[in-house]
Amino acid sequence: GAVVSQHPSWVICKSGTSVKIECRSLDFQATTMFWYRQFPKQSLMLMATSNEGSKATYEQGVEKDKFLINHASLTLSTLTVTSAHPEDSSFYICSARSYRTPNGKTQYFGPGTRLLVL
Amino acid sequence: SQELEQSPQSLIVQEGKNLTINCTSSKTLYGLYWYKQKYGEGLIFLMMLQKGGEEKSHEKITAKLDEKKQQSSLHITASQPSHAGIYLCGAVTNEKLTFGTGTRLTIIP
Repeated sequence: GAVVSQHPSWVICKSGTSVKIECRSLDFQATTMFWYRQFPKQSLMLMATSNEGSKATYEQGVEKDKFLINHASLTLSTLTVTSAHPEDSSFYICSARSYRTPNGKTQYFGPGTRLLVL
Repeated sequence: SQELEQSPQSLIVQEGKNLTINCTSSKTLYGLYWYKQKYGEGLIFLMMLQKGGEEKSHEKITAKLDEKKQQSSLHITASQPSHAGIYLCGAVTNEKLTFGTGTRLTIIP
């Protein structure tokens, strides 16, 4: 149980284009989803927190117009990197949790999406 | 803010040997999580500890939270190549999960 998927796993795009990454909780309804970014050999950096049906809360220093987050349903959240540039190249990981499950505070992570902007 | 320090930073262990990874918090822990990450992949949830003195095991991995709830250890018995990866401890503060500095585990034949 508590499986989170991400799609795509890899994406290569040209500078200036937008990229959408999907995060799905497959076997539970996620009350909250999180988006992280990870640089090589570093720990995860929280970008934003999103609750179903409400606007995402962004961490300090994260541009909300650059990284659009939509949490349209209890099983799906999307991260759109708008007008991507090479410095946006990174490993993006989502996680989900549900207070409706016995292990409500535990975050379950997706497999990650590697973005390369040329 | 809560800071989590892990030691060692990296560990090279011969297959079959035991090992221990430590996670020390600057504040009292009200929930301590252990995750494992393989390079280029997401995080796999291992265990969560909440009570002082609590100990949990899953297969050959045992995690403990000390009585004062400021330190946790992760112990692997008879290590295998599949145990290789980065181990991260984490704690939730204000609804946000803060990660430790990470321990990179390499298993050699």
